[in-house]
Parts: sequence; structure tokens; C-alpha cells
Amino acid sequence: DAGVIQSPRHEVTEMGQEVTLRCKPISGHDYLFWYRQTMMRGLELLIYFNNNVPIDDSGMPEDRFSAKMPNASFSTLKIQPSEPRDSAVYFCASSYPPGHLADRFTGELFFGEGSRLTVL
Amino acid sequence: ELKVEQNPLFLSMQEGKNYTIYCNYSTTSDRLYWYRQDPGKSLESLFVLLSNGAVKQEGRLMASLDTKARLSTLHITAAVHDLSATYFCAVEETSGSRLTFGEGTQLTVNP
Repeated sequence: DAGVIQSPRHEVTEMGQEVTLRCKPISGHDYLFWYRQTMMRGLELLIYFNNNVPIDDSGMPEDRFSAKMPNASFSTLKIQPSEPRDSAVYFCASSYPPGHLADRFTGELFFGEGSRLTVL
Repeated sequence: ELKVEQNPLFLSMQEGKNYTIYCNYSTTSDRLYWYRQDPGKSLESLFVLLSNGAVKQEGRLMASLDTKARLSTLHITAAVHDLSATYFCAVEETSGSRLTFGEGTQLTVNP
């Protein structure tokens, strides 16, 4: 299995520009999560989807952030307009639902390599 | 709101020594996870603890869960330099599938 695939790995942009981060979850996983990691705030859950439907977006910091999952194999996280305080590593993760027989590590998250965003 | 606290946040130890990292959480949960992160890298799953009294071991690492005390421990035996990394515990909220992560423990093992 290819694992969770994120792109771009690195993004440097100027304040005010639109940023789009992409994620391809592991095939067959029903859950997809977007996390943000910073030194100050650690790992924060931004939003998660179940079967392509957003379940909890309470972690999305502002209206400038939006996420979509148009199908089971693709999700985007968009920031428009971007600000310097958005600089962080953004991780996408996917999992089977708890109790799924195909995965004895029920609920375990599998993380992508992350997208490091720098907003100047 | 579920809160997850780890201690210590920074740990410097010598090779060959033993130590324990603690993870406390604030509300009822039956699922706890330990992850490892190397600098600039992604998070790698180490252990999944799914019930009270669960104990898992892999090499020099052993994790345990006490759901009544809302406490998990990650014990390091005879540390080696390769264990240097940041270790996170994460707790699943009983109401859904979201995980809340602790602050992480940055472990440095010195020769």
C-alpha cells in the first residue's frame, strides 16, 4: 500500500495568497483527518470526514480555512487568504472505523508525510 | 473537552538507563495510542491500547493503560540513541473517532 499521500511537501507563499493542500488517503479507509502542527500549539485537529462527509470542523481556525472531500480518494484543505500565522506543518491522516475487522489496530491513524507551509 | 497531558515534555537520558513517560487524560476513554515522530518526519504508530490493563511491548518500549486512573505509561528500558525522537500519546474520545494528542515528550538519548 502506498500510504497516505500529501502534496505539496513544501509550500512557500506570500501573505494574501491562496494555498491548497492535497491528500490521498489509504484505499478503503473511511475516515480522513486534517491536523496542523506548530511548536506553540502542538498537534491540532482541524477537521475530519467520515465517508466523504465532514463530521467535525470545530477545529478549523477561521473562515479562511475550508476543506473538501469530493470522493473517497481525495481531499483538499484550502486557506484563502493566507497569513503568516498559518505557517505550520499540515498532516493528513486516514483510518478504518473502530471495530473494522480488516484492521486489528482499530482506530489507528496512518499519517502522511505532511505539507510544510511557510507564509511570508 | 478532553485534555491530554504528558510529562515530562523534555527528557534527556543516558544510554542504558530506564525511564517512564506519563500520559494523563481528563475524560473516560478506552482507546489510547502512542506515536513516534522523528525531526521533520511524519508520525509513526507505536502502540494501540484498547482496554484497561492493556500492555504492549516492542523492543525496548513497553506501553500500558489504566483507564480507571486515566493514565498510560511508556516505559523505556536500557535506552539507545536510536530511540531519540518525540513521543506522543493520543486519546480517542468516546463520542466519536477523533483523537486528541498530548503535547509530546522530546526524548534525547545521549551516548
